[in-house]
Amino acid sequence: QKEVEQDPGPLSVPEGAIVSLNCTYSNSAFQYFMWYRQYSRKGPELLMYTYSSGNKEDGRFTAQVDKSSKYISLFIRDSQPSDSATYLCAMRETSYDKVIFGPGTSLSVIP
Amino acid sequence: SAVISQKPSRDICQRGTSLTIQCQVDSQVTMMFWYRQQPGQSLTLIATANQGSEATYESGFVIDKFPISRPNLTFSTLTVSNMSPEDSSIYLCSAHAEGGEKLFFGSGTQLSVL
Repeated sequence: QKEVEQDPGPLSVPEGAIVSLNCTYSNSAFQYFMWYRQYSRKGPELLMYTYSSGNKEDGRFTAQVDKSSKYISLFIRDSQPSDSATYLCAMRETSYDKVIFGPGTSLSVIP
Repeated sequence: SAVISQKPSRDICQRGTSLTIQCQVDSQVTMMFWYRQQPGQSLTLIATANQGSEATYESGFVIDKFPISRPNLTFSTLTVSNMSPEDSSIYLCSAHAEGGEKLFFGSGTQLSVL
């Protein structure tokens, strides 16, 4: 079993849809959880950063962490064509530990 | 956030040659990291570059193949040595910023080896 798993997609949705992206993990010691967005031929861009369980909202983006289930989600409301990218979940045990990345989900938002 | 500049942005190289990738951060950072992203794959950490000491390599990566320099707190280089087509990847530089917790990335170097 891989340490972090993520549905690779591709996921295709119409503009305005609510998108749900998910990751599962096996290491219960992970405490810091991140979502990155990566456009083609670009480096990953940090979208959301959360510590421990709970929800965090930033504009159209909401990150959820359920440590009891070892499951994290990223929700995108009112999705836009500019949201078309690969979304990578990432996590680590302590604030200075090695960051472990999921394989990424490719998202296309169709106008 | 940190602004991380990386060059070259892309290169096409011949088998057996070496390429050095440069990474510049707009602020002083303790640790810099080099990642590889193979086609269709996620990010794999190659090594951690600390100023004033040798880089720390992850399992499967060795200094002879990926020598790293870290001459100061804002700059690092990664060399991909004696390249083969299997080294064709995106190479990414990254660093912690905003109190040291958040990891930011450069725009990457797309390397193709013929």
